[in-house]
Amino acid sequence: EVQLLESGGDLVQPGGSLRLSCAASGFTFNTCAMTWVRQAPGKGLEWVSTINGNGGNTYYADSVKGRFSISRDNSKNTLFLLMNNLRAEDTALYYCAKGRGGFNLYDYWGQGTLVTVSS
Amino acid sequence: EIVLTQSPGTLSLSPGERATLSCRASQSIYNNYLAWYQQKPGQAPRLLIYGASSRATGIPDRFSGSGSGTDFPLTISRLEPEDFAVYYCQQYGTSPITFGQGTRLEIK
Repeated sequence: EVQLLESGGDLVQPGGSLRLSCAASGFTFNTCAMTWVRQAPGKGLEWVSTINGNGGNTYYADSVKGRFSISRDNSKNTLFLLMNNLRAEDTALYYCAKGRGGFNLYDYWGQGTLVTVSS
Repeated sequence: EIVLTQSPGTLSLSPGERATLSCRASQSIYNNYLAWYQQKPGQAPRLLIYGASSRATGIPDRFSGSGSGTDFPLTISRLEPEDFAVYYCQQYGTSPITFGQGTRLEIK
């Protein structure tokens, strides 16, 4: 059974940093692209970042480029998102999601971890 | 970036009725790489449809996607109580990946 478990969300001040983690199990992690998608309170879904299976290619939304960094540890089946210079508009529930079949669509999602940026 | 516009914003129907949700793209979607997700309150999204018309694993056949180019409807043939949720379309053919703003399907 595929499981994705996010952690690391917290209340942080504007300008602060946070690292999210997503522990994966139930599939061959190093063969799958992984993605972070966020959802602001009461709002829709926003793609944030994607990393390919071996970690060699990363992609970012313009809204986070230069501030966020996605990475993965395939030896530990874990995905990360390092978030720097956080802004109020980064407040959201952050989901990690497994890519399906080499495409940027997502067949399994975690339950999310909440990031709140506020002073 | 490709903008996806979903309509209506809210759709009020009764169980047993047919639902048609619209997703329109600001430009043609490459290879019809269009997906639909269902999200219930407090839950993560669930993949329903990919490639505009292929059902994901375990999705009942009352859900059907269609369309091409810029116009992609999702049809639910006979609504079950568990179908009332928010539905999002997503295009994955062109970077950046984009989602529609969602359609809320509520019980009338």
